[in-house]
Amino acid sequence: AQSVTQLGSHVSVSEGALVLLRCNYSSSVPPYLFWYVQYPNQGLQLLLKYTSAATLVKGINGFEAEFKKSETSFHLTKPSAHMSDAAEYFCAVRYTGGGNKLTFGTGTQLKVEL
Amino acid sequence: DADVTQTPRNRITKTGKRIMLECSQTKGHDRMYWYRQDPGLGLRLIYYSFDVKDINKGEISDGYSVSRQAQAKFSLSLESAIPNQTALYFCATSGSNTEAFFGQGTRLTVV
Repeated sequence: AQSVTQLGSHVSVSEGALVLLRCNYSSSVPPYLFWYVQYPNQGLQLLLKYTSAATLVKGINGFEAEFKKSETSFHLTKPSAHMSDAAEYFCAVRYTGGGNKLTFGTGTQLKVEL
Repeated sequence: DADVTQTPRNRITKTGKRIMLECSQTKGHDRMYWYRQDPGLGLRLIYYSFDVKDINKGEISDGYSVSRQAQAKFSLSLESAIPNQTALYFCATSGSNTEAFFGQGTRLTVV
């Protein structure tokens, strides 16, 4: 069964520090991969997506993610954290032929401290 | 206006009551989904629909039913609500090759 694992349910960084949120998927066939962000009391907003084009994907708000097939990973990074980045982040995977169903990781709550 | 609208946004109901959550979308997409979010569990798929005549169970469909009234409308029903159905519910829509677009969520509490 398709699955996606997010390491670390809570990550805390200082403002201005590097943000690294980890995501690994389970499949021998590269899927489509997504990162969504959820701000308090809001729905999910797409940050970026990988759809088998460039392996380094740039998203909104300065975030980017790199698809690494050899590591089955799609980690999310941002060079310099801002207070407004505090939110919950979800990695999701969609496999071709899977009816566009998204399978989500369990989420990582990002806290940004002064 | 939002691309995906869910009503109500918040609801408190009693155990055993029937409740319907409604979702409408203006993206023009064929595919619609209902997810449930619980702390520490991420989002789990309840039901999904590829078009008006196609309904499919997701990973946690027990205790839920859905109705696809039109391309743009997809409702979720709890026939007899129970406390462990207390959660945040999300409706989403997508095209065949697009990402999913989510509503703002419905916070349901069953007491």
